[in-house]
Amino acid sequence: NAGVTQTPKFRILKIGQSMTLQCTQDMNHNYMYWYRQDPGMGLKLIYYSVGAGITDKGEVPNGYNVSRSTTEDFPLRLELAAPSQTSVYFCASRSTSGGNTDTQYFGPGTRLTVL
Amino acid sequence: KQEVTQIPAALSVPEGENLVLNCSFTDSAIYNLQWFRQDPGKGLTSLLLIQSSQREQTSGRLNASLDKSSGRSTLYIAASQPGDSATYLCAPTSGTYKYIFGTGTRLKVLA
Repeated sequence: NAGVTQTPKFRILKIGQSMTLQCTQDMNHNYMYWYRQDPGMGLKLIYYSVGAGITDKGEVPNGYNVSRSTTEDFPLRLELAAPSQTSVYFCASRSTSGGNTDTQYFGPGTRLTVL
Repeated sequence: KQEVTQIPAALSVPEGENLVLNCSFTDSAIYNLQWFRQDPGKGLTSLLLIQSSQREQTSGRLNASLDKSSGRSTLYIAASQPGDSATYLCAPTSGTYKYIFGTGTRLKVLA
């Protein structure tokens, strides 16, 4: 299993540009999450999904959109990039069945800079 | 609104010391609490998960305790090693879905 994969690893955007951060998991987990981590800070939840077709806002959803058309994929969309969105973005997934529920598995992150 | 504080923010110790990392949270109605490790430039790795009904969990040299009523959790690291150097994050879960992370403790173990 590859676990949770994220693409791209790094990206530089100009103000006002749009992009999609990709996240895929191959563990058949129903819960998926997007977080952002600013320098020296903890992680803040942007959006989460409890299954295909179901998404909900986290702590800091403004400026972002998500969709969950399949169990495997949970892309994060930035429509009009702003410097305040410069951060490292982590995707995570969690199972709700089996012997290791509640543990979140994290991807390696996408480092985004908006100039 | 759940707020999570981790003390100390940074810690530098010689190899072999026993360590205590602290995590406090304001809302005691948690589902569980998880401790993570983050290496520089990397994602998070789960270390220990304590369910709300449990008092502690152990894995190797790591022991995590939970006191829900006082809103505290501690991570105990025995006989620290340079390979333990990382940032340690705690995350209580409010409800079944949402994890709220602390700002972490940056640990450096000197050889």
